[in-house]
Amino acid sequence: KAGVTQTPRYLIKTRGQQVTLSCSPISGHRSVSWYQQTPGQGLQFLFEYFSETQRNKGNFPGRFSGRQFSNSRSEMNVSTLELGDSALYLCASTITLAGGETQYFGPGTRLLVL
Amino acid sequence: AQSVTQLGSHVSVSEGALVLLRCNYSSSVPPYLFWYVQYPNQGLQLLLKYTSAATLVKGINGFEAEFKKSETSFHLTKPSAHMSDAAEYFCAVYNAGNMLTFGGGTRLMVKP
Repeated sequence: KAGVTQTPRYLIKTRGQQVTLSCSPISGHRSVSWYQQTPGQGLQFLFEYFSETQRNKGNFPGRFSGRQFSNSRSEMNVSTLELGDSALYLCASTITLAGGETQYFGPGTRLLVL
Repeated sequence: AQSVTQLGSHVSVSEGALVLLRCNYSSSVPPYLFWYVQYPNQGLQLLLKYTSAATLVKGINGFEAEFKKSETSFHLTKPSAHMSDAAEYFCAVYNAGNMLTFGGGTRLMVKP
C-alpha cells in the first residue's frame, strides 16, 4: 500500500496570507490527524478527523481549521499567517487493529512564513 | 491527558556501542506507548509500540523497548549502534481522540 502523502512538501508565504495543506491517508484508513512541529514547542496535536467529522481538537487558535472529504483525504487551512506559524506540519492516518490504534505519518509540509 | 518525558535531549554514542534512550510516562491506566524516529527532512517512522501484550517489544532496525510499570518507563535500546541510526527519536503516548502526546525528542549522534 502507498503511504501517507502530503502536498505540497514546501511552502513559502508572507504574513497575513492564508495557506491550505493536503493529506491523503493510507488506503482504507478513515482517521486523519494533524500535528505541528516546531523547534520551540515540539510536536503538538492540531485536530483529528474521522468520516468527515472533527472528533478532537488541540489547543490552537481558530485560524487553524481543517476538513475531511468523503474519500478520507484531508486539508488543513491556516488563515492570517503569522511568523510563528512557520513549522513542519505532519499528517497521520490511523488504523485500528487488535492491539489498538496506530498512527502512520506522512513526510510533512514545511511552511515558512516571511 | 497522559504524558511522556524523555530524559536527555542529546545522546552521543560510538558506533557499535549500546544505545539507550529514556522515556518515562505519566498514566494512571495502562498506556499505549510508541517510539518514532525522524530522519532529517522527513516525517515520523514508527519503530515499535507497546499494547500490553508483552513487556518487551521488538521493533524495526534492531531496536527494542521494555515496559516497566514499577518504574513507569519505556526505554528504547539497541545493542550496537550504526551510523545510520543517527536521527531524532520520539516517545509518545496515546490519548483519547486519536491524539498522540509526544516527548521532547532525543537526538542521537553516532560517532565513527
